[in-house]
Amino acid sequence: AQKVTQAQTEISVVEKEDVTLDCVYETRDTTYYLFWYKQPPSGELVFLIRRNSFDEQNEISGRYSWNFQKSTSSFNFTITASQVVDSAVYFCALSSVANDYKLSFGAGTTVTVRA
Amino acid sequence: NAGVTQTPKFRVLKTGQSMTLLCAQDMNHEYMYWYRQDPGMGLRLIHYSVGEGTTAKGEVPDGYNVSRLKKQNFLLGLESAAPSQTSVYFCASSLRVAGELFFGEGSRLTVL
Repeated sequence: AQKVTQAQTEISVVEKEDVTLDCVYETRDTTYYLFWYKQPPSGELVFLIRRNSFDEQNEISGRYSWNFQKSTSSFNFTITASQVVDSAVYFCALSSVANDYKLSFGAGTTVTVRA
Repeated sequence: NAGVTQTPKFRVLKTGQSMTLLCAQDMNHEYMYWYRQDPGMGLRLIHYSVGEGTTAKGEVPDGYNVSRLKKQNFLLGLESAAPSQTSVYFCASSLRVAGELFFGEGSRLTVL
């Protein structure tokens, strides 16, 4: 079985603050993939990143960065210098061999950035 | 460049009625999925398909049926709608296994 836990239900920050979203996953597999998706108020789901279990390098894309730590089964996401446009629901997701690579999503974290 | 298109976008049903949601993708993707999104529960997989003519059950398949007669289309059917099926439904497709999912805009279904 696989499971994704996003313990933070809602986070509210003031513009320009940094915000970190936690994601903890469970899987028995050694081969798996982790994802983050963004769902802005308009409702569509936007892919942000895909990371495989053999690549523990952190990644930075503009104001977004991801910290993958297999030792703690975590794949956390940080938004630096947040902006109002970052307000959205963010989902962490896991795909693994044992689950036929079907994607399992966490419950999501709602981020509100206030001007 | 349409990507993934879902129809209809909104629908209101009475309990017991049937309906079909259509998902069409123009990216020649093999894999297609139907998810439902409910508050506080993330997205849950209903059914999926790994290629034309194939379907398989996901996490919450009860009360739904699917068909993938053509590679570009994935249909989700509700034979006898129940209020518990009130939700937002998302179709997605991917080029490869464990690949990035491309989502449709969602279909909001209300069952009274």
